[in-house]
Amino acid sequence: GAVVSQHPSWVICKSGTSVKIECRSLDFQATTMFWYRQFPKQSLMLMATSNEGSKATYEQGVEKDKFLINHASLTLSTLTVTSAHPEDSSFYICSAPVGGRLYLETQYFGPGTRLLVL
Amino acid sequence: GNSVTQMEGPVTLSEEAFLTINCTYTATGYPSLFWYVQYPGEGLQLLLKATKADDKGSNKGFEATYRKETTSFHLEKGSVQVSDSAVYFCALSDPTRAGYQKVTFGTGTKLQVIP
Repeated sequence: GAVVSQHPSWVICKSGTSVKIECRSLDFQATTMFWYRQFPKQSLMLMATSNEGSKATYEQGVEKDKFLINHASLTLSTLTVTSAHPEDSSFYICSAPVGGRLYLETQYFGPGTRLLVL
Repeated sequence: GNSVTQMEGPVTLSEEAFLTINCTYTATGYPSLFWYVQYPGEGLQLLLKATKADDKGSNKGFEATYRKETTSFHLEKGSVQVSDSAVYFCALSDPTRAGYQKVTFGTGTKLQVIP
């Protein structure tokens, strides 16, 4: 099946620094990618929808100036956590649908990036 | 709003035991229902799905039936294997916005199968 990769798989940073997380579709093109956040023992929460060539769509309560999303190509979306603080520590997961945005059942997930802010 | 509730884990079973992971949902409209599985160190993978009431999704020996009357989508397997050890997520999609479907996930249930 289709493969989605994320880099890095884990990152530790100091409070106040910015961290960039990459999400790549390795063998298909993705005009849309989704970014999720997962806290321990909690469900995945959709943060934003990344659209190639246009602005991301953020879910209610997600600070767009805090979580910058760039979808510059059909195979790469990046999430930058700006001025990270300890409360931003979490597990970030991206996904990309195959076969068109309406075909959710063919959505492929990356392995996730664990962020720890000290 | 939409929500998915699934049983808390971890669930520990012996090999060849029967598995049930309960999942109930709240949604407006007519959602599609999914089970995703996450093996250690890997991304989420679609395990099975059902798109309308009374549909049964099945894959790799796992089954789940879309029960609209009880708003449930319980995951079952007759005989689990050690290789089934993973975290299982129940989820629903709700086509509320043009162009994509928003997914609501449950909290996940960790399954550990011991030899």
